Amino acid sequence: AQTVTQSQPEMSVQEAETVTLSCTYDTSESDYYLFWYKQPPSRQMILVIRQEAYKQQNATENRFSVNFQKAAKSFSLKISDSQLGDAAMYFCAYRGYGNKLVFGAGTILRVKS
Amino acid sequence: GAVVSQHPSWVICKSGTSVKIECRSLDFQATTMFWYRQFPKQSLMLMATSNEGSKATYEQGVEKDKFLINHASLTLSTLTVTSAHPEDSSFYICSVESREGRHEQYFGPGTRLTVT
Repeated sequence: AQTVTQSQPEMSVQEAETVTLSCTYDTSESDYYLFWYKQPPSRQMILVIRQEAYKQQNATENRFSVNFQKAAKSFSLKISDSQLGDAAMYFCAYRGYGNKLVFGAGTILRVKS
Repeated sequence: GAVVSQHPSWVICKSGTSVKIECRSLDFQATTMFWYRQFPKQSLMLMATSNEGSKATYEQGVEKDKFLINHASLTLSTLTVTSAHPEDSSFYICSVESREGRHEQYFGPGTRLTVT
């Protein structure tokens, strides 16, 4: 079975600085999708960014970018120019051949002003 | 992305009663919806996959007789917590998967259930 590991329970970043959230996964599948979701205090899950495993190019969405290392099964999220609104719980998620999402335990990101 | 609604956003019920939570896909027809449960500061736990016109598929350890799922139409799935107990108190979230082949899931705003 696939597993997703987020080894950082909590992270802090100063406003306007850059922070990287770590995620590793374990799978024997060759084709899959990876996602980062954000859950702010409202608890509404928001898709931040997605990556197809067959694409070598790292996905970017404005201030958010990923470092996808397929061989190492690593999928980290970099947030540049951090803003107070970025404070949230961030979940890394995997979708393989089935249609289920497998989530990591989450990382709480705190942004200091 | 898809717009997903849930109703109610929060509910308080007495132990032993049943409560129904609705999940609607507002802007496209969803043959598959997912139900999750989340405890505070924890990750989402998939409870079941709701399939339109057929029985739901439950994850291991989830009591299907306690958490009844009905996917009656392409835009509506319901989760009924039967004979609720305080330990059923939790945050319940539904989601739909994008049909554009992007394999993203879009989530409802969640329902906070408190059983007294």
